[in-house]
Amino acid sequence: GAVVSQHPSRVICKSGTSVKIECRSLDFQATTMFWYRQFPKKSLMLMATSNEGSKATYEQGVEKDKFLINHASLTLSTLTVTSAHPEDSSFYICSARDINMNTEAFFGQGTRLTVV
Amino acid sequence: AQSVTQPDIHITVSEGASLELRCNYSYGATPYLFWYVQSPGQGLQLLLKYFSGDTLVQGIKGFEAEFKRSQSSFNLRKPSVHWSDAAEYFCAVGALNNNDMRFGAGTRLTVKP
Repeated sequence: GAVVSQHPSRVICKSGTSVKIECRSLDFQATTMFWYRQFPKKSLMLMATSNEGSKATYEQGVEKDKFLINHASLTLSTLTVTSAHPEDSSFYICSARDINMNTEAFFGQGTRLTVV
Repeated sequence: AQSVTQPDIHITVSEGASLELRCNYSYGATPYLFWYVQSPGQGLQLLLKYFSGDTLVQGIKGFEAEFKRSQSSFNLRKPSVHWSDAAEYFCAVGALNNNDMRFGAGTRLTVKP
């Protein structure tokens, strides 16, 4: 199956700093990428959908200025958590799909963000 | 609006026993259904999916699921559970012609020796 690589797998940052998470499709063109957030022992909540070359579409309640998403190429999308606070600590997972392929989205391995 | 319900938050079974995890969905169009497994601190691994055709779907690790349109269900089954199956299981519904995929709340599986 298709491979999606997410980096880093774990990151610890200080309050007030920004942290960038990368999501790469390794063997297919990801026309669309999705960013999810997962709270402890909870399900995945879709944060935003990004299409290559256009602005991301954010779900209701997700601050677009807080969670900056860039999808500049067909193989890379980034999520930047700006001015991070402890409440931003969470598990973030991306997924990617090629709209031209008749398959589901493929998930990255997730990033554990801890803000101290 | 589409939604997924996993009625069981936590299930405990003995190793070697059979397993069934329930999933009910609400979807306005023909649903595409998925089961994922997540180990602690890890991403999601696709167990199986249903798009069309045979309503009994075989997946990896000995899992299977049956799509029952009349009951709006897509329950996951395994005849004999192994200790390594202990994990969180998520049912999801979506469609290939749009970008929306919704996840259930998850069922945590504990396997007793």
